Amino acid sequence: AQTVTQSQPEMSVQEAETVTLSCTYDTSESDYYLFWYKQPPSRQMILVIRQEAYKQQNATENRFSVNFQKAAKSFSLKISDSQLGDAAMYFCAYRYSGGSNYKLTFGKGTLLTVNP
Amino acid sequence: GAGVSQSPSNKVTEKGKDVELRCDPISGHTALYWYRQSLGQGLEFLIYFQGNSAPDKSGLPSDRFSAERTGGSVSTLTIQRTQQEDSAVYLCASSLSASVETQYFGPGTRLLVL
Repeated sequence: AQTVTQSQPEMSVQEAETVTLSCTYDTSESDYYLFWYKQPPSRQMILVIRQEAYKQQNATENRFSVNFQKAAKSFSLKISDSQLGDAAMYFCAYRYSGGSNYKLTFGKGTLLTVNP
Repeated sequence: GAGVSQSPSNKVTEKGKDVELRCDPISGHTALYWYRQSLGQGLEFLIYFQGNSAPDKSGLPSDRFSAERTGGSVSTLTIQRTQQEDSAVYLCASSLSASVETQYFGPGTRLLVL
């Protein structure tokens, strides 16, 4: 079974600084997707960024970028120029590309605090 | 609608009662997922529907949980004879199809069983 591990229950960053959230996963599959979702206090899960495993190039979305290391099964999220609105719970998630069950498997989450 | 909607936003019930949670996916999305978010277990997959195919119920924790999707759109998650351990946030997500990888989530229903 696939597992996703986020080893940092909580992180904090100063406004305008850079922070990196860690995620590792375990799978025997070679074709899959990885995601970072953000969950603010409103509970709405918002997609931050996604990565296809077959792509070597790391995904970027404005201030958000990932460091995808397929061999090491590592998928970290870097947030540059942190803003107060980035404060939220961040979840790393995995989805196998094949089979018939397209469920997401989530890590336990990292609570990010942004200090003014 | 513009996004996935869920109702009610919050639900308080007494142990032993039945509850129904509703999810309205994004228009045109054929795949619909239910997840449960609890302090102890994190985010867990419950069930997913794809079009008119039989749902994948592999994540349902007990036979007290069931779900249906009428007309390929709105879905209802029913929990019978609720227990205190059922207290959690129930999240619904939809995607254009099951093979399209991005799932869009609703705001969830927070269920509290007293």
